[in-house]
Amino acid sequence: GQQLNQSPQSMFIQEGEDVSMNCTSSSIFNTWLWYKQDPGEGPVLLIALYKAGELTSNGRLTAQFGITRKDSFLNISASIPSDVGIYFCAGLRGSQGNLIFGKGTKLSVKP
Amino acid sequence: DAGVTQSPTHLIKTRGQQVTLRCSPKSGHDTVSWYQQALGQGPQFIFQYYEEEERQRGNFPDRFSGHQFPNYSSELNVNALLLGDSALYLCASSLDRGIDYGYTFGSGTRLTVV
Repeated sequence: GQQLNQSPQSMFIQEGEDVSMNCTSSSIFNTWLWYKQDPGEGPVLLIALYKAGELTSNGRLTAQFGITRKDSFLNISASIPSDVGIYFCAGLRGSQGNLIFGKGTKLSVKP
Repeated sequence: DAGVTQSPTHLIKTRGQQVTLRCSPKSGHDTVSWYQQALGQGPQFIFQYYEEEERQRGNFPDRFSGHQFPNYSSELNVNALLLGDSALYLCASSLDRGIDYGYTFGSGTRLTVV
């Protein structure tokens, strides 16, 4: 099935460092979403973006909806151990229906 | 306020068998979507149910079928199980009005086919 191009695949960082990950697509999306998934759990929504160019923050997290509507990035500032997990981007073309996910970025944080 | 509830949490089945997974949506939600997440991959859309009808379907064979009940809960059925069907099956609920009103995932059912 279709998946978005998400990078990097994994990251090993020191506590306190900033993190950046991104997602690209060959086609346009109307909505971009960023999720975090912990082992044995379902994805939990971090940030939702509904408009091209939109920049949205949620605490230490900041995400942007690319102007071309084909990409998005997520930044995490001053990482802490509980940021460990797998981060997924997801795109939606309509207002409903199916989300297209990236393969995920696995984040490890060294105390 | 309960979120999305899925049952069972874990399941082991033999190749060729049939399985039914269940999902109760978040209170107030009327739309249920099912996803398959293989190990190391992102979730893949299977289908979505609204008003007891399948509204959209992803690239999955007819062995995957579903149902939505009048109380909005939903079942996912998989027939003739293959080893490759081993995955985490996620249910997400939302409002038909649009994803910006909420799109919530359950914790999933881990299916192992042996």
